[in-house]
Amino acid sequence: GQNIDQPTEMTATEGAIVQINCTYQTSGFNGLFWYQQHAGEAPTFLSYNVLDGLEEKGRFSSFLSRSKGYSYLLLKELQMKDSASYLCAVRDTGGSYIPTFGRGTSLIVHP
Amino acid sequence: EAQVTQNPRYLITVTGKKLTVTCSQNMNHEYMSWYRQDPGLGLRQIYYSMNVEVTDKGDVPEGYKVSRKEKRNFPLILESPSPNQTSLYFCASSPRGQGADEQYFGPGTRLTVT
Repeated sequence: GQNIDQPTEMTATEGAIVQINCTYQTSGFNGLFWYQQHAGEAPTFLSYNVLDGLEEKGRFSSFLSRSKGYSYLLLKELQMKDSASYLCAVRDTGGSYIPTFGRGTSLIVHP
Repeated sequence: EAQVTQNPRYLITVTGKKLTVTCSQNMNHEYMSWYRQDPGLGLRQIYYSMNVEVTDKGDVPEGYKVSRKEKRNFPLILESPSPNQTSLYFCASSPRGQGADEQYFGPGTRLTVT
């Protein structure tokens, strides 16, 4: 099984940078995903990490440290439309190969 | 257009009345799964399927059934719905569940059981 922990809620200001952390415990790590979910909508894929380091994709970057069981999602130049929930999901080597999701972090961006 | 569709999008029903939520994908994906999402609990996996005729329980399977007779369809069946199954349900598919295979989610079905 897996244990995935994320902060419940964060607030930030438009134009700023915010870092959303995710810690996990798993018996056999096989990849970590970040999804964005606007209220009442379906989650959409943001990033995938399986090796240590930083993956950059436009304003969004995701970092992974497998030895620490830790990842973060970095959002730069925040926009109002970035107000959403951010879901960390971990896939392990056993069972279904379908990721297990954390409870998500609700990000509120203020003007 | 590549997509996952779910029907119905909204449903209000009464305790004990059997219902089916359909899910269909047009991307020839092997993996499909069902989640429920509740406030404060996040997305929890109900059932998943790795291919036709191959299904298995997720974390919260009680009270649900699924079938995978064709690759594109993965219906969720509630034989005798109860109020604690009131939730937002998402169907998802992915190519093979390996590597960077992301999951594509349907638009969601909001179910209320009274």
